[in-house]
Amino acid sequence: ETGVTQTPRHLVMGMTNKKSLKCEQHLGHNAMYWYKQSAKKPLELMFVYSLEERVENNSVPSRFSPECPNSSHLFLHLHTLQPEDSALYLCASSQDPDRQPQHFGDGTRLSIL
Amino acid sequence: GEDVEQSLFLSVREGDSSVINCTYTDSSSTYLYWYKQEPGAGLQLLTYIFSNMDMKQDQRLTVLLNKKDKHLSLRIADTQTGDSAIYFCAESGGSGNTGKLIFGQGTTLQVKP
Repeated sequence: ETGVTQTPRHLVMGMTNKKSLKCEQHLGHNAMYWYKQSAKKPLELMFVYSLEERVENNSVPSRFSPECPNSSHLFLHLHTLQPEDSALYLCASSQDPDRQPQHFGDGTRLSIL
Repeated sequence: GEDVEQSLFLSVREGDSSVINCTYTDSSSTYLYWYKQEPGAGLQLLTYIFSNMDMKQDQRLTVLLNKKDKHLSLRIADTQTGDSAIYFCAESGGSGNTGKLIFGQGTTLQVKP
């Protein structure tokens, strides 16, 4: 299924680098989400956007900066990350925040050196 | 607070039925979901049930909801090796929901030939 596409699939970066994760959805949805999936922990919701406006920010460190230029695209800008930020970052979309279900992309596997 | 619990591991033989269980705490949840995650992939929506339903069947999948006990189960009939994956239960975050899904930690299903 190519409804939600994430790039890159894998990313290795040093702690001082700046990089961005990209998510694109082709489902005509109005809400988009970033999740973090770490080993042996439940999925953690990071950010929710509805019609390009951020509606939820789950106490995420400022080294993660989201951007939603339109309802089809979502970015996660990364800078000065820590080793504990190594994880799978998943993007999802839904019709709107109150109308689920959410459809997920395949994620970006991020490794911080 | 809101919480979703699942057993961590289940092993079955090919052709048997699998039953994956989940308990949740938020009685105001509108929908409950089952997602499947294969290695190296994102979360694939399998099925979901509205909170006023007791049962939903979709081909080999049967979802049972006991709202009184806050218990959700997923039964996979005639389990195949391709069903080996991690299965996540999730609930919608109740009233005032801004797209928040609460996930369990996932049940790893191992199917032996």
